[in-house]
Amino acid sequence: EVQLVQSGAEVKKPGESLTISCAATGYIFDKNWIGWWRQMPGKGLEWMGMTYPDDHDSRYNPSFAGQIVLTVDKSIATAHLQFYSLKASDTAVYYCARHKGAGYCSSANCWGFDVSDAWGQGTLVTVSS
Amino acid sequence: IVLTQSPGTLSLSPGERVTLTCKVSQRISTTYLAWFQQRPGRAPILLIYGASKRATGIPDRFSGSGSGTDFTLTINGLEPEDSAVYLCHQYWSSPWTFGQGTKVEIK
Repeated sequence: EVQLVQSGAEVKKPGESLTISCAATGYIFDKNWIGWWRQMPGKGLEWMGMTYPDDHDSRYNPSFAGQIVLTVDKSIATAHLQFYSLKASDTAVYYCARHKGAGYCSSANCWGFDVSDAWGQGTLVTVSS
Repeated sequence: IVLTQSPGTLSLSPGERVTLTCKVSQRISTTYLAWFQQRPGRAPILLIYGASKRATGIPDRFSGSGSGTDFTLTINGLEPEDSAVYLCHQYWSSPWTFGQGTKVEIK
């Protein structure tokens, strides 16, 4: 069974950095893109970016580029979402999700990917002074 | 790609049938449209992918259809546990996007 287990809730102050993790089991970690999503309180799901563990290729939503970095540690089948400098507006639940299959990417965007069929349970991040 | 769902909220009784609508801002192949269920405080659960294929373990009272820019999710015989927000999702072109959701309340 494919499972993604995320790290626990975090409370941080503005300006601090943060890394949250997503540990994968039940499939070959290297061969599926892992995406990250933000859900602000009472709002919809926003795609932040995704990373391909096999070659560490990462693609970012322009809305989040420069604010986050996506990494993987293949040795422990874990993906990470790192924030450089948190703001109060980063308060949200963050989800990781596995793409069932890959599509194609150019330098500008990606298309034709398979659905995100497995999701982590979510990590609540609260940023407050 | 913008996905617009309607209606915003529905209040229905157990056993009823409901059809939710998702309009996509540009034509996409049926291959790249999915529906998710999200209960409060929980992660989204994949119900339908490829517009009409049920995900593993999803009851057959959930069905999807549509093409081009107009897609629907139908739930036959609502059960109390179907109380949730239902989200359509396109994974044709990045950034991948979700609709704003339809909230289904069971009386």
